[in-house]
Amino acid sequence: VQLVESGGGLVQPGKSLKLSCSASGFTFSSYGMHWIRQAPGKGLDWVAYISSSSGTVYADAVKGRFTISRDNAKNTLYLQLNSLKSEDTAIYYCARSEGMRYWGQGVMVTVSS
Amino acid sequence: DVVMTQTPVSLSVAIGQPASISCKSSQSLVGTSGKTYLNWLLQRPGQSPKRLIYLVSKLDSGIPDRFSGSGSETDFTLKISRVEADDLGVYYCLQGTHFPYTFGAGTKLELK
Repeated sequence: VQLVESGGGLVQPGKSLKLSCSASGFTFSSYGMHWIRQAPGKGLDWVAYISSSSGTVYADAVKGRFTISRDNAKNTLYLQLNSLKSEDTAIYYCARSEGMRYWGQGVMVTVSS
Repeated sequence: DVVMTQTPVSLSVAIGQPASISCKSSQSLVGTSGKTYLNWLLQRPGQSPKRLIYLVSKLDSGIPDRFSGSGSETDFTLKISRVEADDLGVYYCLQGTHFPYTFGAGTKLELK
């Protein structure tokens, strides 16, 4: 199992960014997937979940601003980040459901002017 | 939301000595399936979190049996029987019974 995030970077407040998580080594379409983030020097915060049938759940802090989606043909998970705030600055990890056994290496998102 | 209260915040332990971390949830973590979705993860410096234990007490493959998990309902414990240098890092409990999933604030295990 391998999960590889990409798409991070420096972005101004109010702007948008789209993260990707490329999955391999398992049948991607059969699993739900999570996004979790970790602000610099802080703990872990769950962000969003998408089921194998594309049902979604969001943390209150990102609801209405972030959108989780998936493309099973490309074995890829996405997180669209809109209306970014400084407090969204964090490392963003994707993780497979079934207890978050597998995590990616993370991608840094910095929101700053 | 389920609040996960993890203690202590930090733990200083000599190599070969035991360590124990507590995690208490604000409501029962027993799911409708009857399973309790309480996991323990370790994040070493500069690395992604790694799951050690799932469903309260089941060790992931490759995790030494120096680690053990116990507990029920709202009260859970991670124990390390003999700390080794490779065990250093921040330990998190995670509940996956109720959305939103929530983590404990973390326990930093350091060498004495």
